[in-house]
Amino acid sequence: GDSVTQMEGPVTLSEEAFLTINCTYTATGYPSLFWYVQYPGEGLQLLLKATKADDKGSNKGFEATYRKETTSFHLEKGSVQVSDSAVYFCARNQGGKLIFGQGTELSVKP
Amino acid sequence: EAEVAQSPRYKITEKSQAVAFWCDPISGHATLYWYRQILGQGPELLVQFQDESVVDDSQLPKDRFSAERLKGVDSTLKIQPAELGDSAMYLCASSGMDGSSYNEQFFGPGTRLTVL
Repeated sequence: GDSVTQMEGPVTLSEEAFLTINCTYTATGYPSLFWYVQYPGEGLQLLLKATKADDKGSNKGFEATYRKETTSFHLEKGSVQVSDSAVYFCARNQGGKLIFGQGTELSVKP
Repeated sequence: EAEVAQSPRYKITEKSQAVAFWCDPISGHATLYWYRQILGQGPELLVQFQDESVVDDSQLPKDRFSAERLKGVDSTLKIQPAELGDSAMYLCASSGMDGSSYNEQFFGPGTRLTVL
């Protein structure tokens, strides 16, 4: 079936480092793609999304580009902050429901 | 800002007991979802409602889980009897209109269930 695969964590970075979290998907057709963030003890918040090929989603310094040719939606940020420490989930839409990756924990050290 | 409300936030129960979780979606949102998130994994859909009708409950363990949304507004998810493997975070989400792929899903804070 359709699935989403993320790079395994935890990822530990120093403040101001460059972040990449890889995400690939399998799909029939062209699903909408999402990145959600989950802070400790909280629910999921939508970080950004892209609904068609070559779209770039961006928010709070994070970016991800919908790459149809590589079925990827990698999350990037040029300079991470301690406050970015959280678990990040890549997801795709399937008939209205979301299919999530397993999550990547990010820890940013000062 | 409108939010999805869930209660309780935490629930500890013994196996074989019954538990119930409540969700109040954002006002006007027709589509409501219940997801289960096992520690260290991504959420997985248990059931999706469009108004008061079930759209997808293919992953709901129907021998012990039930969900209802009687008036098409708030919803209850019940487990009876609870098993040790049910320990997880139960997340409720809602989206507007017809729940199409373009509508953002808004998540509540979740209910963390621990079964002893």
